[in-house]
Amino acid sequence: EPEVTQTPSHQVTQMGQEVILRCVPISNHLYFYWYRQILGQKVEFLVSFYNNEISEKSEIFDDQFSVERPDGSNFTLKIRSTKLEDSAMYFCASSGAGGRSPLHFGNGTRLTVT
Amino acid sequence: AQKVTQAQTEISVVEKEDVTLDCVYETRDTTYYLFWYKQPPSGELVFLIRRNSFDEQNEISGRYSWNFQKSTSSFNFTITASQVVDSAVYFCALSELTQGGSEKLVFGKGTKLTVNP
Repeated sequence: EPEVTQTPSHQVTQMGQEVILRCVPISNHLYFYWYRQILGQKVEFLVSFYNNEISEKSEIFDDQFSVERPDGSNFTLKIRSTKLEDSAMYFCASSGAGGRSPLHFGNGTRLTVT
Repeated sequence: AQKVTQAQTEISVVEKEDVTLDCVYETRDTTYYLFWYKQPPSGELVFLIRRNSFDEQNEISGRYSWNFQKSTSSFNFTITASQVVDSAVYFCALSELTQGGSEKLVFGKGTKLTVNP
């Protein structure tokens, strides 16, 4: 069964550094998402992406964050200048055509900002 | 606004006991989807079920069963004869169709289930 893959599984970075989290969505999917889970808390929506532009973003997704689909297969989340509070698990997800297709989640990237 | 409440923060049971995890939701949408995910200690989100708001039939899958009651806005999850491997955090989630056409999930805070041998 096709999967959403995320790399790396764990990333450690220093405060103030830029970090890029990578995701390869399922190949025929059209909607792409990033979610965040701070340790011990609930999973929160960050952003959705469709047709090469942001479809919706949450209040968490401020100017420090950006998303990109640089080629036909990758979907990236960039954090420009990381803060300690950006430490979290970041999940990528994708869904097929139509807003009601089920989301498929990747296994997540654990980001640790020191 | 959409909201999902999982009132049970932590539950501890002994193996072979049945356990029910509660989920109550709020939405103004007439069409929506409800989900349950399992998050083991390794951290990934494991999809368990997706239920359409028009389908109120209860569902059983092995030791897992789900009770959807629209009248009380609840979507409870029962594990029968629990096992140590069921130990995890379980999240209930509600879909929200955004203006842009994408579907975002609103998650509850999760219930941590510990099954002791």
